[in-house]
Amino acid sequence: AQSVAQPEDQVNVAEGNPLTVKCTYSVSGNPYLFWYVQYPNRGLQFLLKYITGDNLVKGSYGFEAEFNKSQTSFHLKKPSALVSDSALYFCAVRAYDQTGANNLFFGTGTRLTVIP
Amino acid sequence: GAVVSQHPSWVICKSGTSVKIECRSLDFQATTMFWYRQFPKQSLMLMATSNEGSKATYEQGVEKDKFLINHASLTLSTLTVTSAHPEDSSFYICSARRIQGGWMNTEAFFGQGTRLTVV
Repeated sequence: AQSVAQPEDQVNVAEGNPLTVKCTYSVSGNPYLFWYVQYPNRGLQFLLKYITGDNLVKGSYGFEAEFNKSQTSFHLKKPSALVSDSALYFCAVRAYDQTGANNLFFGTGTRLTVIP
Repeated sequence: GAVVSQHPSWVICKSGTSVKIECRSLDFQATTMFWYRQFPKQSLMLMATSNEGSKATYEQGVEKDKFLINHASLTLSTLTVTSAHPEDSSFYICSARRIQGGWMNTEAFFGQGTRLTVV
């Protein structure tokens, strides 16, 4: 079965410090991995994706993520956090489900708080 | 990037009434749209997949007679919550997939979400 795990419900980091939001996945076949960000009472905004190629993927707003096949991880990172980065972050994997449809499977989300 | 517009952004309705939520892809065609429900502090739960010109595919446990989905055109899908009850109060989000190349590597584009409160 396809699944995504975000082990941390909450991550706090001081402004200017590097941040990491963790994600691990379990899929059969090649993973197509995504990160989305959600601001309060808003839909999700796409940040970045890994399909193939370089393991380090760069995305919007200075975020990047590193795909690690051996650890089945796709952690989101940013070298220097901003207060405006405070939001809810979702990791997602696209895979085929039992009906044959390819859907996005979301993690439970990690709330990032950047402390001024 | 592609734009998906969801309307209304919030709605309050009385118990027993029906509410319609619209999801539009503004600058691209979307043969497939998805409807999610998000509970507080929880992830998104896929409710149904909406395909233009055909019946929606509902996820297990989602009542299709309660959550009516219509995808009449390549740019519009609607979700109607019929005979709403307080337990239907939630944040509903739609997403659309743009037709381009392979399906698997295409990011989804999300609407702004609709906060439904049933009183």
